[in-house]
Amino acid sequence: EVQLVESGGGLVQPGRSLKLSCVASGFTFKNYWMTWIRQAPGKGLEWVASITNTGGSTYYPDSVKGRFTISRDNAKSTLYLQMNSLRSEDTATYFCTRDSATVDYWGQGVMVTVSS
Amino acid sequence: DIVMTQSPFSLAVSEGEMVTINCKSSQSLLSSGNQKNYLAWYQQKPGQSPKLLIYYASTRQSGVPDRFIGSGSGTDFTLTISDVQAEDLADYYCLQHYSYPLTFGSGTKLEIK
Repeated sequence: EVQLVESGGGLVQPGRSLKLSCVASGFTFKNYWMTWIRQAPGKGLEWVASITNTGGSTYYPDSVKGRFTISRDNAKSTLYLQMNSLRSEDTATYFCTRDSATVDYWGQGVMVTVSS
Repeated sequence: DIVMTQSPFSLAVSEGEMVTINCKSSQSLLSSGNQKNYLAWYQQKPGQSPKLLIYYASTRQSGVPDRFIGSGSGTDFTLTISDVQAEDLADYYCLQHYSYPLTFGSGTKLEIK
């Protein structure tokens, strides 16, 4: 059974940093691209970052480019999202997802609140 | 960027009825290489993470009931739910996976009368 378990969320002040982690199990992690997607409270879904299976390439929307960094440790089957210079508009639930033919499996999500 | 225009914003139906949800993309999602449309549909029940229903526009994910049907090609896509059940109460989203940035439709809230 595919499982994606996020951690690292919480309350953080504007301008500060936070690092999310996602531990994967139930599939061969190193074979899959991975993606972070977020959802602001009561709002829709927004793509945040993607990374190839080797970690050799990464992709970001303009809204987070230069502030967020996606990375992975295939030996630990773990995906990361380093978030710097956080803004109030980054407040959201962040989902770790597996990227196959499309985004197929989702974690339960972790809440990040950016507020003073 | 590819813009995904999803409609309607919300709809309310009785159990047993059929619903259609539409997504229109600002560019074609059809790959000339493999003739597949990079369009997926997701269901998000209250308090849960999204669940994949349909990918490649019309391929049902394993375990998804056959009353969920995806159709369309190019720029116009539809999710049809036949014989709606109370358990189908959820938000539904389309996603284009053709090119970065990945973009979602704005969502459709399905309510059961």
